[in-house]
Amino acid sequence: EIVLTQSPDTLSLSPGERATLSCRASQSVGSGYLAWYQQKPGQAPRLLIYGASSRATGIPDSFSGSGSGTDFTLTISRLEPEDFAVYYCQQYGSSPYTFGQGTKLEIK
Amino acid sequence: QVQLVQSGAEVKKPGASVKVSCKASGYTFINHATHWVRQAPGQRLEWMGWINAGNDNTRYSQKFQGRVTITRDTSASTAYMELSGLRSEDTAVYYCARRGDSFDYWGQGTLVTVSS
Repeated sequence: EIVLTQSPDTLSLSPGERATLSCRASQSVGSGYLAWYQQKPGQAPRLLIYGASSRATGIPDSFSGSGSGTDFTLTISRLEPEDFAVYYCQQYGSSPYTFGQGTKLEIK
Repeated sequence: QVQLVQSGAEVKKPGASVKVSCKASGYTFINHATHWVRQAPGQRLEWMGWINAGNDNTRYSQKFQGRVTITRDTSASTAYMELSGLRSEDTAVYYCARRGDSFDYWGQGTLVTVSS
């Protein structure tokens, strides 16, 4: 099973700042099958990035993903108030499909 | 537009079973797999298994093997997840999700509470 570890656990930033979230896998993620999701309280996760770097439909270009192998990054170039949420990475290249523990992005 | 609508909240006693439904609309149901993911309070998302809606093949996480059964009714464009032998640790929100570009659409979630 591929274990995903996200860092930091909590990130405190102000609107307008840049956010960088990390996801490290215990072994290489096959075919770059790494996704990022945003989750707000009481809501289902929302797909942001798939294939490590492709934006999902309707996702603004302030969100970008990068990385390969075992190290991946989600960057939010300029934070909007609605971006403060919990972010999860997920690998869907090999079963069982696993998720990271999440990074909580909070307003400073 | 693509929608996945799940059944309502459930309260079950330890040892019982629960069956959650997920009705799909806005796309051709048999062309996409349906996955099931759960989230216990304050915990990370946890993948449970999936069904190929076209050929009925299933695959389950080893953690739930023997306790979970995922089925589908193509005439109703609906997938089902049944979990048996419930214990308090199974208290969670259960989600269905469509496999497109990763898990691109999700149901609204179904809270299952296990309590004596």
